[in-house]
Amino acid sequence: GQNIDQPTEMTATEGAIVQINCTYQTSGFNGLFWYQQHAGEAPTFLSYNVLDGLEEKGRFSSFLSRSKGYSYLLLKELQMKDSASYLCAVSSTDSWGKLQFGAGTQVVVTP
Amino acid sequence: DTEVTQTPKHLVMGMTNKKSLKCEQHMGHRAMYWYKQKAKKPPELMFVYSYEKLSINESVPSRFSPECPNSSLLNLHLHALQPEDSALYLCASSQGTGDNQPQHFGDGTRLSIL
Repeated sequence: GQNIDQPTEMTATEGAIVQINCTYQTSGFNGLFWYQQHAGEAPTFLSYNVLDGLEEKGRFSSFLSRSKGYSYLLLKELQMKDSASYLCAVSSTDSWGKLQFGAGTQVVVTP
Repeated sequence: DTEVTQTPKHLVMGMTNKKSLKCEQHMGHRAMYWYKQKAKKPPELMFVYSYEKLSINESVPSRFSPECPNSSLLNLHLHALQPEDSALYLCASSQGTGDNQPQHFGDGTRLSIL
């Protein structure tokens, strides 16, 4: 099975940086996804990591260490619209087509 | 706006009603998914269709019946639901199930069972 842990909530100020950590335990690791979900809306894809290292996409970056079972999502230059839930999801070769989601981290951006 | 379209956006039904949720995508994706999401919880996978065939059923009660009429459409037929089935039902699609392409989600149908 898979065990995915991420913090429940984080609060940061507009313009600041926030790092959301995700740890996982899985057999047959085959990639990790980050999604953003605003209240009442669909999850939207942010990033994908399968190899160790950092993937950068504008203000958002995602890092993966497979040996440590660890990923983080870095949000820079925070904006009010970044207030949302951020979901870490793991793919495994043990169950093709099945994404295992973490419980999500609610990020609150304050003025 | 998403490229996966779900209808209706909201649905209120009694426990004896029969209704259907619909999902459509025109991205040429060959994998489609149904998820159930309760408030402040992550999406829970219900069903996966790959090339129009059911490939995963996560032990979902038979009162939920999926159907994939063609590669662009996915339905979820509902019958004799319970109040605890009230949730947001999300449809998603991806290019395939084994290529690790991201899943694209629709806006969901918010279902309330009276």
